[in-house]
Amino acid sequence: DQQVKQNSPSLSVQEGRISILNCDYTNSMFDYFLWYKKYPAEGPTFLISISSIKDKNEDGRFTVFLNKSAKHLSLHIVPSQPGDSAVYFCAATSSGTYKYIFGTGTRLKVLA
Amino acid sequence: GAVVSQHPSWVICKSGTSVKIECRSLDFQATTMFWYRQFPKQSLMLMATSNEGSKATYEQGVEKDKFLINHASLTLSTLTVTSAHPEDSSFYICSARGQSAGVSYEQYFGPGTRLTVT
Repeated sequence: DQQVKQNSPSLSVQEGRISILNCDYTNSMFDYFLWYKKYPAEGPTFLISISSIKDKNEDGRFTVFLNKSAKHLSLHIVPSQPGDSAVYFCAATSSGTYKYIFGTGTRLKVLA
Repeated sequence: GAVVSQHPSWVICKSGTSVKIECRSLDFQATTMFWYRQFPKQSLMLMATSNEGSKATYEQGVEKDKFLINHASLTLSTLTVTSAHPEDSSFYICSARGQSAGVSYEQYFGPGTRLTVT
């Protein structure tokens, strides 16, 4: 039972354009969401997070949007840079357990 | 700050042997550590949650007798893969939650350990 899904396994974007990565979840108990960037054989690197009481959080080139009614969140990267090429995972958690449930990942390729 | 290390970074062992992976929080005390496993081109799957001084809580489908977790101190958790088989070959990642985290959701991830069982 995949509680967190990223339906696009890969995405290619031209440098300078916007990258939009999507994530859907099923468990309404999740109240905190995070995005991580990951390279092969390395640990994930935290990018940005959002609480369920908000619908948007911005940090530099990264913005996360949360639509609770649709159980959907997205990560916008603008402008995209070649160094952003990596696998991106969304994760969801809830107060009490603090366990992260990761999505299936989206491989982003930013073309120079 | 908030650095988590793992040792070894990679290990090759023979089928039937056991291997121990260490996870350390270097500059903070971690009351809770989490262990994840990632197969190639797949997601990070939570294996277990370990709290200092108590037994680990395993996720459904994870064999607790095969994956022994010990969280003996506030800075060290170990994962021992017992009687390893080739299908245990994977990338193992730990994360740690600080003692002073309170209601914070933040976890800090280690760099991972690549296990290959031959």
